[in-house]
Amino acid sequence: EIVLTQSPATLSLSPGERATLSCWASQSVNSNLAWYQQKPGQAPRLLIYDASNRATGIPARFTGSGSGTDFTLTISGLEPEDFAVYYCHLYRRWPITFGGGTKVEIK
Amino acid sequence: EVQLLESGGGLVQPGGSLRLSCAASGFIFSNYAMSWVRQAPGKGLECVSSISGSAASTYYADSVKGRFTISRDNSKNTLYLQMNNLRAEDTAFYYCAKTNGVVYVADAFDIWGRGTMVTVSS
Repeated sequence: EIVLTQSPATLSLSPGERATLSCWASQSVNSNLAWYQQKPGQAPRLLIYDASNRATGIPARFTGSGSGTDFTLTISGLEPEDFAVYYCHLYRRWPITFGGGTKVEIK
Repeated sequence: EVQLLESGGGLVQPGGSLRLSCAASGFIFSNYAMSWVRQAPGKGLECVSSISGSAASTYYADSVKGRFTISRDNSKNTLYLQMNNLRAEDTAFYYCAKTNGVVYVADAFDIWGRGTMVTVSS
C-alpha cells in the first residue's frame, strides 16, 4: 500500500497570505493525485485532479503541481472561506488512499 | 443538478447490521464507478469500497473485507453498502462519492453526498 504523508499538519496564516501544502507518496504515483477541501460539517470538495487540473468552479488561486512522489497545493492569497482542512488522495490503484490532512487556520 | 443523497445510518450494537443507500440524480448513473468513503469523528478519510459502473468489479479496504458488501441498482440509480458484523471502529460518517471520469473504478471523486452517520455502540 502506498502511503501519503501531508505536511505540515497545521498551517497558521493570515488572509491574503500564500499557503503551500505538501503531499509525499511512499512510491511513485505518476500524476494520479487529487486535492480536496473540507470545512466543518461538510463533505470534501474536489479542488484538483491529476495533480494539476482544477475541478469545475474552483478559483484560479488554487494551484496543484508535482508528479511522481512530491506534490504541492498552493493557495495564492488566502480568502476567509479557504480556512479548512485539505486532503491529498491517491487513485487509479487499489487501495485508494488519502493523506492525513493539513489544517489551514487563521493566524 | 448532480446530487447524491445517503440514508440508512443510525445507532447499532456491535455485531449488528446496517444497509446504507445512496440515491443519485442529475447524471447517467450507470456510466460511473461509485465509492463509499468514511470519516471517523475528528479523523481523516478512508475509502472502504468501490464498484464499477456495471457492477462487474468491486474493491474493499482490508478493514471491512468479508463484512461489508457494495452493490448498485442502475435501474434505480442507487448505490448500497451492506454492513455486517459491525464493530466500534466502524463508527463514522459514511459518504458516497462519484468518480470524476468514466474509465477507471478508482478515480478522483468529483461529487460527494452529505453523508450519513453510523454509530456502533452498546
